[in-house]
Order: sequence, then structure tokens, then C-alpha cells
Amino acid sequence: QVQLVESGGGVVQPGGSLRVSCVASGFTFSSYGMQWVRQAPGKGLEWVAFIAYDSIKQYYADSVKGRFTASRDNSKNTLFLQMNSLRTDDAAVYYCAKDIRRDGNRYFDYWGQGTLVTVAS
Amino acid sequence: DIQMTQIPSTLSASVGDRVTITCRASQSISGWLAWYQQKPGKAPNLLIYEASSLENGVPSRFSGSGSGTEFTLTISSLQPDDFATYYCQQYNSLWTFGQGTKVEIK
Repeated sequence: QVQLVESGGGVVQPGGSLRVSCVASGFTFSSYGMQWVRQAPGKGLEWVAFIAYDSIKQYYADSVKGRFTASRDNSKNTLFLQMNSLRTDDAAVYYCAKDIRRDGNRYFDYWGQGTLVTVAS
Repeated sequence: DIQMTQIPSTLSASVGDRVTITCRASQSISGWLAWYQQKPGKAPNLLIYEASSLENGVPSRFSGSGSGTEFTLTISSLQPDDFATYYCQQYNSLWTFGQGTKVEIK
């Protein structure tokens, strides 16, 4: 069965950096686009980033553009989100999700359980 | 950017009630809309895609309709397991979620 397991969350100071990871199993990771979605405490879902199956196409929400970078290692079935210049409003649970297509533009059929990022001094 | 607005933000209902949630897009998204259910402390779960297609394994009491800018999610007979928050998501141009609709016990 499909599994997505995030890790790497933690507490970081404003202006700091953090990299979160998502290990995938149960499907051919290299054939699908992957997404990052976040949810601030008590708030709704916010799409953050997309990376295509081959890493060529990448899209970012305006709120993180220039600060966050998605990447993937298809040999290790792992997705990454490098977060730099973190702000207090970046604090959230970060979910990885599988797109149903390799180049995106569709919905998400599987989600991980999330990893909590706290930004505080 | 496409904005998604859900109505209402909170809905109080009883087991057995018919429940309808509306989602409006700021511009036409054709039928490129999904609905997700989220329970506290859990990841979202896909219910409906392409506005009206039921995801495998989702109970048939859930249905979706609409196109263009107005969409609805209907639960025909609310069950205890359905008390949760529901989100619409457009994928016509990048991705945007609605703000969510919490379905509470009346």
C-alpha cells in the first residue's frame, strides 16, 4: 500500500533554515509528481510546492517563492523541502502528497501524516 | 491567482441529515475540483475529484456536482464518522484550497 512518511520537523529560529523529508513506498515514486501542503495550527490547508517526476517542472506558492526549494531523489524514493529564511508565519504541519500525474495539474490521492515545523525564538 | 470560497464555514447537523457544502471559484475552473475530508490530527483524505467522480472506497452517500465557478459537496445521510472538516481544491491553475467547512454535531 502507498505510504508517505515525513520527517525533519522541529523548532527553528526566525531567519533559520530547515529541511524536511518524505519517504515514499508502495508505488513507483519516479513516475509521479509530488506536492507539499502546509497547515498552520488551527488553520486551513495551504498549497506550498510541486515538483514533477523528473524535477524539471517546479511550482511554488507566492508566500514561499525564493525561500523554499523542493527536490527529490528518485533513487531513494525521497522528497525534500528546503526551507530558508523562515518566518513565524511558516510555522505549520507540513504534509507531502502524491499527485496522480507525473507532471502535476491534478489532485492528490495520498498524503503523509505530516511533520511539525515551529518557528520561534 | 484563483480564490476558493466555501460556504458555510461551520455547519451544525444531526446524524441522518442531508448536508450540502458550497464552493465558489473566483474564475472558471471548468470541472477541475476536488473535495477532501480531514479529521483532527489526521491528514486530508480524497473524497471527490473532477467535481463529481467518487474516489475508490469512499461511501456513496458522498456526491459532488458543479462546473465553472460553483460546486457542491453533498452528504445524503450524515453518519457519525462524517463529522470532520471538508476542503475544496481547484487544480485548474496551480492549486488552491478553500478555507474549509467544519461539520459539527448539532
